[in-house]
Amino acid sequence: SQQGEEDPQALSIQEGENATMNCSYKTSINNLQWYRQNSGRGLVHLILIRSNEREKHSGRLRVTLDTSKKSSSLLITASRAADTASYFCATERGNKLTFGTGTQLKVEL
Amino acid sequence: GAVVSQHPSRVICKSGTSVKIECRSLDFQATTMFWYRQFPKKSLMLMATSNEGSKATYEQGVEKDKFLINHASLTLSTLTVTSAHPEDSSFYICSALTGGYTYEQYFGPGTRLTVT
Repeated sequence: SQQGEEDPQALSIQEGENATMNCSYKTSINNLQWYRQNSGRGLVHLILIRSNEREKHSGRLRVTLDTSKKSSSLLITASRAADTASYFCATERGNKLTFGTGTQLKVEL
Repeated sequence: GAVVSQHPSRVICKSGTSVKIECRSLDFQATTMFWYRQFPKKSLMLMATSNEGSKATYEQGVEKDKFLINHASLTLSTLTVTSAHPEDSSFYICSALTGGYTYEQYFGPGTRLTVT
């Protein structure tokens, strides 16, 4: 069964704007990870946030985690056309990853 | 960073035949690899966990006789789709687990299987 639900399912923004994607999950986790997937390609690991962390930054990425609400958000600041891709959250428990439904981000020039 | 390769990247086969997909960790040893399946515009679904030197652990609903997994070495896992049918057409992605404290899975580029 699908652990994570992401919203929005699709997001279209202009270059330079910020993009925010949300992920909710159902069970306890060790950590939550965000991945990026370009169409028809493999996944690229973006960032990992542990269950005892609340916020993490990496370049233009900012991830938050609220374990009380079982939710996480990914913020991409100053988006670029090259950021166009699908983004998935994945919760890790017992070395297994369970992926969310994904958000398709389109950044237009 | 760690690199995982998959071969082939695309394969077309006829119904009833079997096809083997390879997953290799190129610059690290992976005692554990994972196989996922992804339908168009959908999320990744974990099929099985492949452990070097032991039998794979399959997720509920995944037929182990249909999807044969072999993890013969610390750098290679194979997925064989046996007696393939059109409904097996999908994007198959493997990942390899690095060791150490920092848990991270590195993903292969995926294999597009089309069964005609």
